[in-house]
Amino acid sequence: EPEVTQTPSHQVTQMGQEVILRCVPISNHLYFYWYRQILGQKVEFLVSFYNNEISEKSEIFDDQFSVERPDGSNFTLKIRSTKLEDSAMYFCASSESGLPYNEQFFGPGTRLTVL
Amino acid sequence: AQSVTQLGSHVSVSEGALVLLRCNYSSSVPPYLFWYVQYPNQGLQLLLKYTSAATLVKGINGFEAEFKKSETSFHLTKPSAHMRDAAEYFCAVSDPGGDYKLSFGAGTTVTVRA
Repeated sequence: EPEVTQTPSHQVTQMGQEVILRCVPISNHLYFYWYRQILGQKVEFLVSFYNNEISEKSEIFDDQFSVERPDGSNFTLKIRSTKLEDSAMYFCASSESGLPYNEQFFGPGTRLTVL
Repeated sequence: AQSVTQLGSHVSVSEGALVLLRCNYSSSVPPYLFWYVQYPNQGLQLLLKYTSAATLVKGINGFEAEFKKSETSFHLTKPSAHMRDAAEYFCAVSDPGGDYKLSFGAGTTVTVRA
């Protein structure tokens, strides 16, 4: 069964460093998303991406964040200068369409720890 | 903005007992509602969804949920818990007006006692 994969599973970085979280969405999906979950808090939407551009972003997704689909399979989230408060589990998701009732398929997450 | 509230961060049930997880939504129009499950070290997996068709929705692994507009609720149930149901469960909502994003509840951790 097709699944969304994410690498690495755990990333430890120093404050101020750049990190890139990688995702491989399901191959025939067209819409891609990043969510994050800070420990003990809700899963929060960060950004959605379609047709090589951002469709929607939350207020969390500031200038320190960027997303890219560098090739036909990968979808990346870059944090330019990490802060302690960026420590969280980051989930990638994909869906066939952007319709609000369509299932979003989630990856297993990358746990980012900023020291 | 759409939002959901999950009552109870942790539920403990005996094997074979009823599982009831509560979710209430906040919206002026009936939204689309979802229940996701997360097993340890895995991603979020869709259990079921409500998209304004039948109010009683059946999902995978014996779970079902009933949409009650009068109560703004979408509670998840399973008649008989199994050890493999131990996981974290998330209720989520999306806006019928077209927003792509899901808004999640805080999650409920289910433990199953032998």
